Amino acid sequence: DTAVSQTPKYLVTQMGNDKSIKCEQNLGHDTMYWYKQDSKKFLKIMFSYNNKELIINETVPNRFSPKSPDKAHLNLHINSLELGDSAVYFCASSPAPGQANTEAFFGQGTRLTVV
Amino acid sequence: AQSVSQHNHHVILSEAASLELGCNYSYGGTVNLFWYVQYPGQHLQLLLKYFSGDPLVKGIKGFEAEFIKSKFSFNLRKPSVQWSDTAEYFCAVNAFGGYGNKLVFGAGTILRVKS
Repeated sequence: DTAVSQTPKYLVTQMGNDKSIKCEQNLGHDTMYWYKQDSKKFLKIMFSYNNKELIINETVPNRFSPKSPDKAHLNLHINSLELGDSAVYFCASSPAPGQANTEAFFGQGTRLTVV
Repeated sequence: AQSVSQHNHHVILSEAASLELGCNYSYGGTVNLFWYVQYPGQHLQLLLKYFSGDPLVKGIKGFEAEFIKSKFSFNLRKPSVQWSDTAEYFCAVNAFGGYGNKLVFGAGTILRVKS
């Protein structure tokens, strides 16, 4: 009964390909996020969705397109993959946006390697 | 925009040594503060959090952190580290009140404990 689960855990693909990473949370949270951890381990938010609506989009190339079919799922689709997209992508969820005293729960991460 | 700085990128300690990892943030409003830990090959786990009240918070595995509002700091401490504490530690700030919770992370501190 994992709270936030991502698939796949590892993804190796060639430049130019299109790939998707899936994320599901069973915590009943309204808000979900994608974070990117680069090779220097620096974590930065990419997107946030609240109840299927995009609320944060942090200057991410438009090759990255999040999709939220329902509030329990937030998938990340990446077109035309580049070497610089290699990173670990973390999905997270939290109860509600803009509210105090809430914490985010993270998935186990997806290590994407573009060759 | 809010930012988080962690003073040490790499820390090496012997077992039983005391640990203090520095974290400072820049944001003038109310914040929630977190320390996350990432063990080798694993996902982010919440170590401890500060929302309000007693500025000295205790987390899991004997860790504690002190929020000093006047110094915009939230340093992590442990009196006696163990080899199993070898991991990367991330300080994070949630400057709520805006539209969307957004955790801003520090660059991380890699702790290596020698047995």
